[in-house]
Amino acid sequence: SQQGEEDPQALSIQEGENATMNCSYKTSINNLQWYRQNSGRGLVHLILIRSNEREKHSGRLRVTLDTSKKSSSLLITASRAADTASYFCATRGGGADGLTFGKGTHLIIQP
Amino acid sequence: GAGVSQSPSNKVTEKGKDVELRCDPISGHTALYWYRQSLGQGLEFLIYFQGNSAPDKSGLPSDRFSAERTGGSVSTLTIQRTQQEDSAVYLCASSLARTSGSTRAADTQYFGPGTRLTVL
Repeated sequence: SQQGEEDPQALSIQEGENATMNCSYKTSINNLQWYRQNSGRGLVHLILIRSNEREKHSGRLRVTLDTSKKSSSLLITASRAADTASYFCATRGGGADGLTFGKGTHLIIQP
Repeated sequence: GAGVSQSPSNKVTEKGKDVELRCDPISGHTALYWYRQSLGQGLEFLIYFQGNSAPDKSGLPSDRFSAERTGGSVSTLTIQRTQQEDSAVYLCASSLARTSGSTRAADTQYFGPGTRLTVL
């Protein structure tokens, strides 16, 4: 069953604007990761935030984690057309090694 | 360097036939995972290998699904007597061990391009 739930399901913005996606999960986690998927094929790892971290940056990406609310957000600043993709949050908790993915946010950057 | 590769990239089969999907992980990665992505179910974890053993098979949806890994490298996912609901993209991922000699997998997984399976 899906643990992470992203919102919005779809997001369309103009190039140069910031894009924010949110993820909620249900059980305790060791870490939360964000992945990007282009054209429905392989996923690319973007960033990982551990359960004892509250915010993390990587280039134009900023991730926050609120374990009390069981939620995370992914901010992409100064969006580019190449950022058009589906974005998934994934959690790993307890003794599990497999990731549990949300349903994803489909981001479209309008040129 | 070479990433995770999967073959075939696309597979069309008839209902009731068996199919084998192959995954070549990144060299040196001891952990290997299979996931399935379908419109109705999203991304689902199927099975995890550490070396040649599979400590977590919890995601396999039925006994028609099996997987093996030999030599700590290549893995095959076999689906017997395929059904139309098996149509999906099957994704393989690999990762390093958490620390040298550890049986736990590192956090970051590297995904292959997937095999799109269509069961007619």
